[in-house]
Amino acid sequence: DTEVTQTPKHLVMGMTNKKSLKCEQHMGHRAMYWYKQKAKKPPELMFVYSYEKLSINESVPSRFSPECPNSSLLNLHLHALQPEDSALYLCASSQDRWDRVRGKLFFGSGTQLSVL
Amino acid sequence: DQQVKQNSPSLSVQEGRISILNCDYTNSMFDYFLWYKKYPAEGPTFLISISSIKDKNEDGRFTVFLNKSAKHLSLHIVPSQPGDSAVYFCAAYTINNNDMRFGAGTRLTVKP
Repeated sequence: DTEVTQTPKHLVMGMTNKKSLKCEQHMGHRAMYWYKQKAKKPPELMFVYSYEKLSINESVPSRFSPECPNSSLLNLHLHALQPEDSALYLCASSQDRWDRVRGKLFFGSGTQLSVL
Repeated sequence: DQQVKQNSPSLSVQEGRISILNCDYTNSMFDYFLWYKKYPAEGPTFLISISSIKDKNEDGRFTVFLNKSAKHLSLHIVPSQPGDSAVYFCAAYTINNNDMRFGAGTRLTVKP
């Protein structure tokens, strides 16, 4: 199994809603990532988890709250988002955070989020 | 501050010919350069990488060239196939601060 599975694939939410994005991998990878990608822009790193601990937070607003309940799961909790947060949210994993150097990142297909 | 730039948003090539995708960067401290390919409704997948101490890396039909003096890298696909039609992202990585930057992507269309 070389897949990173993200759910849901599409999400529409209001600015007062609370929702969660889920990401799962069963490759035994110990590093997991959240990226945000707006249309025609490069993916931007949001968070890095290494061995279930948050190791990088790229100054992301607190309305985004990551959670890593175990080595296979990564969640992104969303609360009080703004319309400008509408984007494709990509989850990725790698053997460990240093495998990212050699490009061995496995991406999910993303959640397309629209905030109304 | 976009440190990795792909100035061509799209490229169209005939099947069997060479595709050349270009990428420029501004940070001379990057240690690795990578190319990812993305099909619609799928996540990016790793294609090929090159260390900053090398100037060429080849894997089958894909070759990446690095010109450090020009801060430029390119991906050559020979021969191009219709299945290569996808968006290609260039990325660059700095080991010291564990920082990876992506370009905005180039959409390649290979026509039969």
